[in-house]
Amino acid sequence: QVQLVESGGGVVPPGRSLRLSCEMSGVTFNDHGMHWVRQAPGKGLEWVANVWSDGNTRHYSDSVKGRFTISRDNSKNTLYLEMSSLRGDDTAVYYCAREVISEAGTWDWLDPWGQGTLVIVSS
Amino acid sequence: DIQMTQSPSSLSASIGDRVTITCRASDRIYSYLNWYQQRPGKAPKLLIYATSNLQSGVPSRFSGSKSGTDFILTISSVQPEDSATYYCQQTYNTPPWTFGPGTRVEIK
Repeated sequence: QVQLVESGGGVVPPGRSLRLSCEMSGVTFNDHGMHWVRQAPGKGLEWVANVWSDGNTRHYSDSVKGRFTISRDNSKNTLYLEMSSLRGDDTAVYYCAREVISEAGTWDWLDPWGQGTLVIVSS
Repeated sequence: DIQMTQSPSSLSASIGDRVTITCRASDRIYSYLNWYQQRPGKAPKLLIYATSNLQSGVPSRFSGSKSGTDFILTISSVQPEDSATYYCQQTYNTPPWTFGPGTRVEIK
């Protein structure tokens, strides 16, 4: 079955950078768009960024635009999130998720999700 | 951006109760609405896509529907393992892909 495994989280001081990775197995990686979604401690889900299957189109939430970069290496079945100028409110569990599009190309949803990787921004 | 609201924010139910959770969008989203379940300490899991389509492997006691501008998640007979937070998500007007604030379901 499809499996997503995130890595790269940790404790980082404010203003520094961190790169998260998400490796997919069980399905052809370059057939799917991919998303990052985060969840601050005790809070709800917040969409962060997505990238289309070919890697050429990317979108970001306003809260991370200009600081985070989403990318993918289809040869390695891996999605990345390069985070820079990190702030305290970036502290969260970061999930990667596969975007599934219906056969008619009309609907889309996120399935599955990885187990998440925790990023703590603190001095 | 489209904003999502959910009600109630939390509820407590007994085993076998019928539970309904409502989600509303700030603008029209047609049927572009998904539901996710997140158990404590776990990743979110897709339950329902495109308003009313049950994801494979999800128990049939879960169902999704639409009434006017309200999207409804129903658990017909709640079970202990349904203790979780439930999120709706709109995918009509993107980016961003916005989520509701969540509804926490506690089983008595």
